[in-house]
Amino acid sequence: EVQLLESGGGLVQPGGSLRLSCVASGFTFTDDAMNWVRQAPGKGLEWVSVIYSGGRSTYYADSVKGRFTISRDNSKNTVFLQMNSLRVEDTAVYYCVKAYHDVLRGEDWGQGTLVTVSS
Amino acid sequence: EVVMTQSPATLSVSPGEGVTLSCRASQSINSLLAWYQQKPGQAPRLLISGASTRAAGVPARFTGSGSGTDFTLTISSLQSEDSAVYHCQQYKNWPLTFGGGTKVEIK
Repeated sequence: EVQLLESGGGLVQPGGSLRLSCVASGFTFTDDAMNWVRQAPGKGLEWVSVIYSGGRSTYYADSVKGRFTISRDNSKNTVFLQMNSLRVEDTAVYYCVKAYHDVLRGEDWGQGTLVTVSS
Repeated sequence: EVVMTQSPATLSVSPGEGVTLSCRASQSINSLLAWYQQKPGQAPRLLISGASTRAAGVPARFTGSGSGTDFTLTISSLQSEDSAVYHCQQYKNWPLTFGGGTKVEIK
């Protein structure tokens, strides 16, 4: 059974930083691209970032480009999202999402971790 | 950016009835479309990929169709547990984009 366990969310002031982690189990981690998708309170879904299985290719939504960095540690089955220069509009539940190999559909989702940016 | 437009925003349907949800892409995405179901307080769940292929464990009453720019999700014989928000998503081009969602309510 695929499990994706996010952590690292919390309350941070505007301009601050957080690092989200997602520990994966139940599948061959190195086979699949991994993603972060967020959902602001009462809003729709926004694909934030993807890192392909080899770890060298990454993409970011324009809204976070230059502020967020995705990475993965294949030895620990973990994907990270380093979030810097946080803004109020980054407030959302952040989901860790497993793709199907490098086909970027959301095969499996974690339960999410809430990030609140507020003074 | 491929803009995904879902309609209607909300549907209210009686149990046992069928519903059809629409998703339109601003440019052709071939069949690279997924549908997700999201219940309150839960993460989304993949229902359909490749526009028409049900994910494992998804009941047969969920049917996806379409290609190019116009897609539909049909739920035949609605059950109470189908009350949820349904999202479509294209995965042909980066940035990956979602529709705004359709909320299905049970009368």
